[in-house]
Amino acid sequence: DSGVTQTPKHLITATGQRVTLRCSPRSGDLSVYWYQQSLDQGLQFLIQYYNGEERAKGNILERFSAQQFPDLHSELNLSSLELGDSALYFCASSATAGNQPQHFGDGTRLSIL
Amino acid sequence: SQQGEEDPQALSIQEGENATMNCSYKTSINNLQWYRQNSGRGLVHLILIRSNEREKHSGRLRVTLDTSKKSSSLLITASRAADTASYFCATVPHYNQGGKLIFGQGTELSVKP
Repeated sequence: DSGVTQTPKHLITATGQRVTLRCSPRSGDLSVYWYQQSLDQGLQFLIQYYNGEERAKGNILERFSAQQFPDLHSELNLSSLELGDSALYFCASSATAGNQPQHFGDGTRLSIL
Repeated sequence: SQQGEEDPQALSIQEGENATMNCSYKTSINNLQWYRQNSGRGLVHLILIRSNEREKHSGRLRVTLDTSKKSSSLLITASRAADTASYFCATVPHYNQGGKLIFGQGTELSVKP
């Protein structure tokens, strides 16, 4: 058990909809990372928050946004969903801002119908 | 886009044999990490090697890093059926502001009992 909790585990929705994925980091970790894993793109970094502030950004679509709350949990919001957004979305956490092992949750599997 | 290329893409061996996976990357790095992913699950951190290190061991795992060739290898000795999983190398680029990981495509390892 990594200590990182992601909810929900599975999400099925339709094109054009909006969903929110939730992540609780490992106790004591200040950084939260979001990654997308799909068959064609592999594992892609989306965004990182450190202690409530955005720290680094990857190729995250404008339709996607995230935030980290004062209690350090994070949410990833995906809107105007398209079929190509179907993927596994992982949250990871680390103690500080970088250069450390990351601890991954089990992911949210998003299926767009 | 992904930084790393992994070789081979798939590897099938018998229990007790050694498994070697290779990873190449493109830019200067702070460190390189190896992760394991069991089917449909989150990634588990295995080992981190810094850019000024050449070799690191952890149990049955041995990782080497050659920064002049921009390559790394992961050796799993005396493999077990439980080692069956996908293995990913991930780099933290030298220019990195945060700790984002850039993943390779992964090697799918199958260990037959």
